[in-house]
Amino acid sequence: QQPVQSPQAVILREGEDAVINCSSSKALYSVHWYRQKHGEAPVFLMILLKGGEQKGHDKISASFNEKKQQSSLYLTASQLSYSGTYFCGTVSGTYKYIFGTGTRLKVLA
Amino acid sequence: EAQVTQNPRYLITVTGKKLTVTCSQNMNHEYMSWYRQDPGLGLRQIYYSMNVEVTDKGDVPEGYKVSRKEKRNFPLILESPSPNQTSLYFCASRLGRTSEAFFGQGTRLTVV
Repeated sequence: QQPVQSPQAVILREGEDAVINCSSSKALYSVHWYRQKHGEAPVFLMILLKGGEQKGHDKISASFNEKKQQSSLYLTASQLSYSGTYFCGTVSGTYKYIFGTGTRLKVLA
Repeated sequence: EAQVTQNPRYLITVTGKKLTVTCSQNMNHEYMSWYRQDPGLGLRQIYYSMNVEVTDKGDVPEGYKVSRKEKRNFPLILESPSPNQTSLYFCASRLGRTSEAFFGQGTRLTVV
């Protein structure tokens, strides 16, 4: 079963912040975050390998709560280039790799 | 350059005409997968492979076949395409079990 992301969609003004959540009904052993521009392939943003881990990349950061089986992506002072669809990705079972339901983000000038 | 290469990028075909979408990676990755992406449904896994000659069904395998005869290649075969297979397809590869996915450029398939 796909991890569920919330919100499904969000519209921001440049400079505003956003949080995207990824929740799984199964145990999460690692979480990856991706951004996809319309019609293009998803691009890897960051990986979180263990519970409690937090990472940052420019003004985008993420956290991973293993006990709650969820991860959150934080976008700070959003820019126009942040627009796109964000997916979390994770291993399901032994080898299967699945993606969350996706969050569409649009940043307006 | 490390990459995953899919071909073709665009394809329009008719119902029932067999087709193959190729996928090749040059990173010596163990894991390879095929996904389809439809509006509002996200990325759904069709098939995946853990190594040469080892494949398994994903969430939406009906109407598709795959093979993994060499480590670098993982073609997707539609034996008898139907209009409900019109979609955007992505191939992806990963180095290890917890590694991130690298994607091909995508194949936009239209079946009329």
